[in-house]
Amino acid sequence: DSGVTQTPKHLITATGQRVTLRCSPRSGDLSVYWYQQSLDQGLQFLIHYYNGEERAKGNILERFSAQQFPDLHSELNLSSLELGDSALYFCASNKGLAGGEQFFGPGTRLTVL
Amino acid sequence: AQSVTQLGSHVSVSEGALVLLRCNYSSSVPPYLFWYVQYPNQGLQLLLKYTTGATLVKGINGFEAEFKKSETSFHLTKPSAHMSDAAEYFCAVSAARGNFNKFYFGSGTKLNVKP
Repeated sequence: DSGVTQTPKHLITATGQRVTLRCSPRSGDLSVYWYQQSLDQGLQFLIHYYNGEERAKGNILERFSAQQFPDLHSELNLSSLELGDSALYFCASNKGLAGGEQFFGPGTRLTVL
Repeated sequence: AQSVTQLGSHVSVSEGALVLLRCNYSSSVPPYLFWYVQYPNQGLQLLLKYTTGATLVKGINGFEAEFKKSETSFHLTKPSAHMSDAAEYFCAVSAARGNFNKFYFGSGTKLNVKP
């Protein structure tokens, strides 16, 4: 158990819908990272937050957005969903210091029908 | 800029044989290097990491990796494969940007262990 929690574990929805994925980092971690993992794209970095502020953006679509709240949990919002958005979405956390490994949550499996 | 290349998307070995998973990186600054393992339907978990100091790093489950600056490599090895090692392995590189580190993951190598 990494100490990072993600909810829900599974999510099934329809095209055009909007969903919210939630992540709670390990106690004491200020950084939260979001990743998308799909069969054809592999593990893709989406976005990084540190102590409530966006720090880096990766291959995140404009239909996707995220935020980190004062209690440090984070939410990833996916809207206007398409079939191709079906994937595993991982959250990871660390203290944000140089050399620190990321601790991954168990992921949310999103299926868009 | 940093990047990671993992040679071989699939590697198959027999139980008891040597495991060698290759990782090459590029980095404009001294890198921090990591190997993660992902079992089916699970998140990634850290196997080992190199930050500074000894270039041969030992990790969990009998894995080790050696940082070779001259070859820009960080290959993962295990002397004797077990069936339980079947998983996907990711190499990652990180470099500090102030107090924040960006991670770059390789495309992963799926390890199959044959009985």
